[in-house]
Amino acid sequence: DAEITQSPRHKITETGRQVTLACHQTWNHNNMFWYRQDLGHGLRLIHYSYGVQDTNKGEVSDGYSVSRSNTEDLPLTLESAASSQTSVYFCASSGETGGIYNEQFFGPGTRLTVL
Amino acid sequence: GDSVTQMEGPVTLSEEAFLTINCTYTATGYPSLFWYVQYPGEGLQLLLKATKADDKGSNKGFEATYRKETTSFHLEKGSVQVSDSAVYFCASSNFGNEKLTFGTGTRLTIIP
Repeated sequence: DAEITQSPRHKITETGRQVTLACHQTWNHNNMFWYRQDLGHGLRLIHYSYGVQDTNKGEVSDGYSVSRSNTEDLPLTLESAASSQTSVYFCASSGETGGIYNEQFFGPGTRLTVL
Repeated sequence: GDSVTQMEGPVTLSEEAFLTINCTYTATGYPSLFWYVQYPGEGLQLLLKATKADDKGSNKGFEATYRKETTSFHLEKGSVQVSDSAVYFCASSNFGNEKLTFGTGTRLTIIP
């Protein structure tokens, strides 16, 4: 069965370190998204991609970057981790539907703690 | 910009009670509307969706009707179960724009 996976599931790092969170999907979806989930804010969009070599900033992109070199993967990099980036991170993907349904499938999440 | 406002939680109900979680949206055009559910320790799963006015989405006994006149998409269930305990998110997405805008989530706890 097709799926979307994230690794690691849990990560503890120190302020100032570079961290990369992996996201891999086997749906063959063109669209991939990264969100962060924080209490009182719901899910907020960090970056997204509509295809290989395409990346776009979301509403909370400062301090994060992504690259899309193939269809399956969209790694999220924290250039210099800050305590404010302690959060749960979710990756999602969606297929080419003509824009009507826009159903996104979510990974299990990565809990990141920055000390 | 687009936004989604949903009922503040947490919500605690007894088993077999009637559930309503309110959701309203602001958007340009005519968005698609969604309810996602997040069980403890898991990612989000699509619960139901509606793509145009007066559409009713339904799944697992949950229902929501797309009301353009009140810009609402309230989630309802006639008789909740302990297994419905989860966090529920309302979301919207504009036609041709794959991005989702989420509400802040409502934590639901059902007690036996």
